[in-house]
Amino acid sequence: EAQVTQNPRYLITVTGKKLTVTCSQNMNHEYMSWYRQDPGLGLRQIYYSMNVEVTDKGDVPEGYKVSRKEKRNFPLILESPSPNQTSLYFCASTLASPDTGELFFGEGSRLTVL
Amino acid sequence: SQQGEEDPQALSIQEGENATMNCSYKTSINNLQWYRQNSGRGLVHLILIRSNEREKHSGRLRVTLDTSKKSSSLLITASRAADTASYFCATARRAAGNKLTFGGGTRVLVKP
Repeated sequence: EAQVTQNPRYLITVTGKKLTVTCSQNMNHEYMSWYRQDPGLGLRQIYYSMNVEVTDKGDVPEGYKVSRKEKRNFPLILESPSPNQTSLYFCASTLASPDTGELFFGEGSRLTVL
Repeated sequence: SQQGEEDPQALSIQEGENATMNCSYKTSINNLQWYRQNSGRGLVHLILIRSNEREKHSGRLRVTLDTSKKSSSLLITASRAADTASYFCATARRAAGNKLTFGGGTRVLVKP
Protein backbone atom coordinates (compact mmCIF):
# COMPACT_ATOMS: atom_id res chain seq x y z
CA GLU A 1 0.00 0.00 0.00
CA ALA A 2 1.31 3.43 -0.99
CA GLN A 3 1.84 5.45 2.14
CA VAL A 4 3.78 8.01 4.13
CA THR A 5 4.69 6.72 7.58
CA GLN A 6 5.60 8.95 10.50
CA ASN A 7 6.93 7.95 13.91
CA PRO A 8 6.24 8.53 16.66
CA ARG A 9 2.57 9.42 16.36
CA TYR A 10 2.51 10.92 19.85
CA LEU A 11 5.37 12.20 21.96
CA ILE A 12 5.67 14.16 25.17
CA THR A 13 9.14 15.46 25.92
CA VAL A 14 10.90 18.12 27.93
CA THR A 15 12.62 21.31 26.89
CA GLY A 16 16.09 20.74 25.49
CA LYS A 17 15.90 16.99 24.95
CA LYS A 18 16.83 16.27 21.34
CA LEU A 19 14.30 14.31 19.36
CA THR A 20 13.80 13.01 15.85
CA VAL A 21 10.53 12.43 14.05
CA THR A 22 10.98 9.95 11.25
CA CYS A 23 9.19 10.00 7.92
CA SER A 24 9.31 7.32 5.27
CA GLN A 25 7.50 6.96 1.95
CA ASN A 26 7.28 3.92 -0.30
CA MET A 27 6.21 5.64 -3.52
CA ASN A 28 9.67 6.55 -4.86
CA HIS A 29 8.75 10.23 -4.57
CA GLU A 30 11.45 12.80 -5.11
CA TYR A 31 9.80 15.62 -3.16
CA MET A 32 9.23 15.47 0.59
CA SER A 33 8.16 18.15 3.03
CA TRP A 34 7.42 18.82 6.68
CA TYR A 35 4.54 20.96 7.92
CA ARG A 36 3.35 21.97 11.35
CA GLN A 37 -0.30 22.63 12.11
CA ASP A 38 -1.36 24.96 14.88
CA PRO A 39 -4.86 26.23 15.77
CA GLY A 40 -5.62 29.46 13.96
CA LEU A 41 -2.41 29.31 11.92
CA GLY A 42 -3.20 26.51 9.50
CA LEU A 43 -0.38 24.42 8.03
CA ARG A 44 3.01 26.03 7.73
CA GLN A 45 5.92 24.53 5.85
CA ILE A 46 9.07 23.86 7.86
CA TYR A 47 11.49 22.33 5.34
CA TYR A 48 11.26 20.55 2.03
CA SER A 49 13.49 18.40 -0.11
CA MET A 50 13.49 18.13 -3.88
CA ASN A 51 15.69 15.03 -3.90
CA VAL A 52 18.45 13.20 -2.07
CA GLU A 53 20.90 15.63 -0.45
CA VAL A 54 18.79 18.62 -1.57
CA THR A 55 16.91 20.42 1.21
CA ASP A 56 15.56 23.94 1.58
CA LYS A 57 13.85 26.07 4.17
CA GLY A 58 10.14 26.57 4.23
CA ASP A 59 8.34 29.36 6.03
CA VAL A 60 9.12 28.39 9.65
CA PRO A 61 12.48 26.55 9.73
CA GLU A 62 13.86 28.00 12.98
CA GLY A 63 14.61 25.35 15.58
CA TYR A 64 14.45 22.46 13.12
CA LYS A 65 16.89 20.46 11.02
CA VAL A 66 16.31 17.89 8.32
CA SER A 67 18.37 15.50 6.26
CA ARG A 68 17.75 13.54 3.06
CA LYS A 69 20.34 10.82 2.81
CA GLU A 70 18.00 8.33 1.15
CA LYS A 71 15.13 8.95 -1.19
CA ARG A 72 12.52 7.31 1.03
CA ASN A 73 13.41 8.96 4.35
CA PHE A 74 13.16 12.56 5.52
CA PRO A 75 13.62 12.86 9.29
CA LEU A 76 12.79 16.04 11.19
CA ILE A 77 15.22 16.84 13.99
CA LEU A 78 14.57 19.10 16.94
CA GLU A 79 18.01 19.65 18.47
CA SER A 80 16.74 21.53 21.54
CA PRO A 81 12.95 21.50 21.63
CA SER A 82 11.11 24.37 23.23
CA PRO A 83 7.43 24.67 24.29
CA ASN A 84 6.61 26.77 21.22
CA GLN A 85 7.36 23.70 19.12
CA THR A 86 4.40 21.92 20.64
CA SER A 87 2.36 21.18 17.56
CA LEU A 88 0.94 18.60 15.17
CA TYR A 89 3.53 17.73 12.54
CA PHE A 90 2.89 16.30 9.10
CA CYS A 91 5.24 14.79 6.58
CA ALA A 92 4.16 14.81 2.95
CA SER A 93 5.55 13.69 -0.38
CA THR A 94 4.87 13.95 -4.07
CA LEU A 95 6.44 12.51 -7.19
CA ALA A 96 8.30 15.59 -8.42
CA SER A 97 6.95 18.89 -7.13
CA PRO A 98 3.75 20.45 -5.77
CA ASP A 99 3.85 22.41 -9.02
CA THR A 100 2.72 19.32 -10.87
CA GLY A 101 1.09 16.91 -8.45
CA GLU A 102 -0.77 16.25 -5.24
CA LEU A 103 0.84 15.78 -1.86
CA PHE A 104 0.44 12.53 0.06
CA PHE A 105 0.37 13.08 3.82
CA GLY A 106 1.33 10.97 6.77
CA GLU A 107 -1.05 10.57 9.70
CA GLY A 108 0.69 13.19 11.78
CA SER A 109 2.89 13.31 14.87
CA ARG A 110 1.53 15.16 17.88
CA LEU A 111 4.41 16.61 19.87
CA THR A 112 4.16 18.20 23.30
CA VAL A 113 7.21 19.94 24.75
CA LEU A 114 6.98 20.64 28.48
CA SER B 1 -0.24 36.40 6.17
CA GLN B 2 -1.34 33.24 4.41
CA GLN B 3 -1.42 32.89 0.64
CA GLY B 4 -4.81 31.20 0.72
CA GLU B 5 -7.71 32.32 2.86
CA GLU B 6 -10.84 30.21 3.10
CA ASP B 7 -14.30 31.56 3.66
CA PRO B 8 -16.32 30.78 5.67
CA GLN B 9 -14.21 29.53 8.56
CA ALA B 10 -17.02 27.19 9.58
CA LEU B 11 -20.13 25.84 7.93
CA SER B 12 -23.00 23.78 9.32
CA ILE B 13 -25.50 22.12 6.97
CA GLN B 14 -28.03 19.31 6.90
CA GLU B 15 -27.34 16.05 5.14
CA GLY B 16 -28.38 16.30 1.50
CA GLU B 17 -27.67 20.02 1.21
CA ASN B 18 -24.83 21.48 -0.82
CA ALA B 19 -21.76 22.98 0.84
CA THR B 20 -19.81 25.78 -0.79
CA MET B 21 -16.54 27.22 0.42
CA ASN B 22 -14.27 29.79 -1.12
CA CYS B 23 -10.56 30.39 -1.26
CA SER B 24 -8.80 33.62 -2.12
CA TYR B 25 -5.10 33.98 -2.76
CA LYS B 26 -2.68 36.81 -3.34
CA THR B 27 -0.11 35.98 -6.01
CA SER B 28 -0.08 34.21 -9.38
CA ILE B 29 -0.26 30.45 -9.16
CA ASN B 30 0.59 27.36 -11.20
CA ASN B 31 -2.14 25.30 -9.60
CA LEU B 32 -4.58 25.27 -6.72
CA GLN B 33 -5.39 22.16 -4.74
CA TRP B 34 -8.10 21.23 -2.26
CA TYR B 35 -7.54 18.85 0.64
CA ARG B 36 -9.77 17.32 3.31
CA GLN B 37 -8.74 16.63 6.89
CA ASN B 38 -10.75 14.52 9.27
CA SER B 39 -10.24 15.55 12.86
CA GLY B 40 -6.53 15.45 13.67
CA ARG B 41 -5.76 13.07 10.82
CA GLY B 42 -3.54 13.46 7.77
CA LEU B 43 -4.74 15.55 4.86
CA VAL B 44 -6.20 13.81 1.85
CA HIS B 45 -5.97 15.31 -1.62
CA LEU B 46 -9.32 15.99 -3.28
CA ILE B 47 -8.68 17.83 -6.51
CA LEU B 48 -6.04 19.85 -8.37
CA ILE B 49 -6.96 22.59 -10.81
CA ARG B 50 -4.34 24.21 -13.00
CA SER B 51 -4.15 27.92 -13.67
CA ASN B 52 -5.38 27.48 -17.25
CA GLU B 53 -8.47 25.54 -16.13
CA ARG B 54 -11.72 27.14 -15.02
CA GLU B 55 -13.72 24.24 -13.65
CA LYS B 56 -13.13 20.67 -12.62
CA HIS B 57 -15.34 17.87 -11.31
CA SER B 58 -14.65 14.79 -9.27
CA GLY B 59 -17.65 12.80 -8.12
CA ARG B 60 -19.74 15.10 -5.91
CA LEU B 61 -17.03 17.75 -5.92
CA ARG B 62 -16.94 20.75 -8.22
CA VAL B 63 -14.08 23.21 -8.15
CA THR B 64 -13.92 26.51 -9.98
CA LEU B 65 -10.97 28.80 -10.45
CA ASP B 66 -11.07 32.49 -11.38
CA THR B 67 -7.51 33.69 -11.82
CA SER B 68 -8.64 37.26 -12.56
CA LYS B 69 -10.20 37.43 -9.09
CA LYS B 70 -7.58 35.18 -7.55
CA SER B 71 -10.25 32.96 -6.07
CA SER B 72 -11.51 29.39 -6.13
CA SER B 73 -14.59 27.65 -4.83
CA LEU B 74 -15.25 24.08 -3.74
CA LEU B 75 -18.79 22.78 -3.96
CA ILE B 76 -19.80 19.51 -2.33
CA THR B 77 -23.19 18.40 -3.62
CA ALA B 78 -25.67 16.23 -1.73
CA SER B 79 -23.53 16.25 1.40
CA ARG B 80 -23.28 13.28 3.72
CA ALA B 81 -22.38 13.00 7.39
CA ALA B 82 -19.06 11.49 6.26
CA ASP B 83 -18.22 14.81 4.58
CA THR B 84 -17.80 16.36 8.04
CA ALA B 85 -14.19 17.53 8.01
CA SER B 86 -11.96 20.55 7.52
CA TYR B 87 -11.26 21.58 3.95
CA PHE B 88 -8.11 23.40 2.90
CA CYS B 89 -7.07 25.11 -0.27
CA ALA B 90 -3.40 25.13 -1.16
CA THR B 91 -1.57 27.04 -3.83
CA ALA B 92 1.62 26.36 -5.74
CA ARG B 93 2.79 29.87 -6.44
CA ARG B 94 4.36 30.75 -9.75
CA ALA B 95 7.31 32.36 -8.04
CA ALA B 96 7.81 29.48 -5.60
CA GLY B 97 6.66 26.33 -7.33
CA ASN B 98 8.45 24.09 -4.88
CA LYS B 99 6.24 25.20 -2.04
CA LEU B 100 2.60 24.42 -1.44
CA THR B 101 1.03 27.03 0.83
CA PHE B 102 -2.14 26.21 2.73
CA GLY B 103 -4.98 28.39 3.87
CA GLY B 104 -6.55 28.28 7.31
CA GLY B 105 -9.32 25.90 6.30
CA THR B 106 -13.11 25.68 6.47
CA ARG B 107 -14.65 23.42 9.11
CA VAL B 108 -17.72 21.70 7.70
CA LEU B 109 -20.28 19.96 9.90
CA VAL B 110 -22.91 17.88 8.12
CA LYS B 111 -25.78 17.05 10.44
CA PRO B 112 -27.69 13.81 9.84
